[in-house]
Amino acid sequence: NAGVTQTPKFQVLKTGQSMTLQCAQDMNHEYMSWYRQDPGMGLRLIHYSVGAGITDQGEVPNGYNVSRSTTEDFPLRLLSAAPSQTSVYFCASRTGTGVYGYTFGSGTRLTVV
Amino acid sequence: ELKVEQNPLFLSMQEGKNYTIYCNYSTTSDRLYWYRQDPGKSLESLFVLLSNGAVKQEGRLMASLDTKARLSTLHITAAVHDLSATYFCAVDGPGTASKLTFGTGTRLQVTL
Repeated sequence: NAGVTQTPKFQVLKTGQSMTLQCAQDMNHEYMSWYRQDPGMGLRLIHYSVGAGITDQGEVPNGYNVSRSTTEDFPLRLLSAAPSQTSVYFCASRTGTGVYGYTFGSGTRLTVV
Repeated sequence: ELKVEQNPLFLSMQEGKNYTIYCNYSTTSDRLYWYRQDPGKSLESLFVLLSNGAVKQEGRLMASLDTKARLSTLHITAAVHDLSATYFCAVDGPGTASKLTFGTGTRLQVTL
């Protein structure tokens, strides 16, 4: 089991560029979500999914897009990068029962210049 | 809107001492989680608390949950330097899945 795999680990973008952050899990988890972590603000939910084909917005969805075509993959798209999106992004997943909690990926550190 | 408050935000403690981190949340929730994060690393799951009165222990850490008071505590016993990290509590929204709300974290520094 690889758990939750995020790529890339580091990325520098220019303002206005678009990119996709990849997230894949091999644990057959129904629930997946994306968070951003900024200094002094903890982690904030961007988008989440309760199963393939189902997504919804979290606390800070503006500027981001997601889709969930398979159980395993949950990519996060930045449509037109802005400096305010400089952050560390984490993907997480868990089973429907939630008894074992969420498993987090290793994170993507994104800098927008 | 679910809000989660942690205190203290920063805690400096000597090895061998005991201390408690507090986590308050604003609305009913099914699950409360505690995570540890080392600098530059991801989040490591420590505890999942599912019911009122739940108590879990792992080594020098013990977590408890009081759903009536909407309060969870993370108690550190006889701290050691290896426990230095940032600790987060997080709460699942009521009746929803995959929507964690995090506290701002407690940065714990254990000094010799």
